[in-house]
Amino acid sequence: EDKVVQSPLSLVVHEGDTVTLNCSYEVTNFRSLLWYKQEKKAPTFLFMLTSSGIEKKSGRLSSILDKKELFSILNITATQTGDSAIYLCAVYPSGNTPLVFGKGTRLSVIA
Amino acid sequence: DSGVTQTPKHLITATGQRVTLRCSPRSGDLSVYWYQQSLDQGLQFLIQYYNGEERAKGNILERFSAQQFPDLHSELNLSSLELGDSALYFCASSVGALEETQYFGPGTRLLVL
Repeated sequence: EDKVVQSPLSLVVHEGDTVTLNCSYEVTNFRSLLWYKQEKKAPTFLFMLTSSGIEKKSGRLSSILDKKELFSILNITATQTGDSAIYLCAVYPSGNTPLVFGKGTRLSVIA
Repeated sequence: DSGVTQTPKHLITATGQRVTLRCSPRSGDLSVYWYQQSLDQGLQFLIQYYNGEERAKGNILERFSAQQFPDLHSELNLSSLELGDSALYFCASSVGALEETQYFGPGTRLLVL
């Protein structure tokens, strides 16, 4: 069974800290991995990582994919209270199989 | 704002009832996905439609059904509702059918009493 595991489940940090969120997966025929940020309601897309794009960066957020070790990390530097959210990792196992989501990491950034 | 719209935002109903949730995808997107999110289960994929046809099926109960119409909007029908069906229901859309970035709507919060 395809599986995506995120850790930690929750995290509390102070503004300015750097955090690393982890996502490991066990899927058949990995195709791509996606990160989403979920604040009050809808998940919003952050990054997609594939075999041809194993590192992505946008502002203070960056992510890498290790296809050999079957994991990805999401890094947030100089955290702000606005980064408080649930961060979801999801994987496409194969061409015709839908996204499999992890249960998320709840990040709380306190002033 | 992702461009995906969902109605209603909130729905309160009783056990045994039937409800319909509606989703309009982003302009130009042909795929629509339905997800259920509850506190203990996380985001669970229910079903995908691509250009009017069912494309993939997840853990969707037999009491639930969906369809995508010619104008590409989609409806998720939930019948014989049970307390355990209370959850957030999200719709997402993407341009194509495979390995696409999915953009999520704001969700419908369903409460079954």
